[in-house]
Amino acid sequence: GAVVSQHPSRVICKSGTSVKIECRSLDFQATTMFWYRQFPKQSLMLMATSNEGSKATYEQGVEKDKFLINHASLTLSTLTVTSAHPEDSSFYICSARARPGSYNEQFFGPGTRLTVL
Amino acid sequence: SQELEQSPQSLIVQEGKNLTINCTSSKTLYGLYWYKQKYGEGLIFLMMLQKGGEEKSHEKITAKLDEKKQQSSLHITASQPSHAGIYLCGADLTNQAGTALIFGKGTTLSVSS
Repeated sequence: GAVVSQHPSRVICKSGTSVKIECRSLDFQATTMFWYRQFPKQSLMLMATSNEGSKATYEQGVEKDKFLINHASLTLSTLTVTSAHPEDSSFYICSARARPGSYNEQFFGPGTRLTVL
Repeated sequence: SQELEQSPQSLIVQEGKNLTINCTSSKTLYGLYWYKQKYGEGLIFLMMLQKGGEEKSHEKITAKLDEKKQQSSLHITASQPSHAGIYLCGADLTNQAGTALIFGKGTTLSVSS
């Protein structure tokens, strides 16, 4: 299957700093990428849908000014957690769907563990 | 309310026993995906079902999508310690291209030897 990578896999930062997480589709072009958050022992909650070349669509309750998403190319989406606080500590997973017309499976990255001190 | 309900929430079985996990949707399922996850790690794709009545198997894991396309079951035969983990069902709840999967809360499986 297709491969989606995330970087970094783990990050620890101080409260008030910003953290950028990258999501790349390695062997296919992704017009749409998704960002999920997973708290301990809970399921994946969709945060936002990232569309290449346009603004991201955020789910209800997700602050767009806090979680900045940029999808500048067909293979890269970034999530920046601005002014991170301990309650932002979570496991962030991105996923990607291939271009329309190709296999519609959603491929997931390995996740990024964010710890805010 | 949760659009996808998984049951049971957790399960402990003895090695060698069979088990079933259910995923029930409040809406029509246009695609149903089963994933396995170890805590703090990424998702491992198991199977995708799209057609009512469809059934797929991989090794000792079988998944079915019922005819009405609102429920899926995942069945593990002769469970092994390697089957332990979190099982998540994810669904396409619309037939529109480019939408995200919605996930159930997951089922945590423990297999005792």
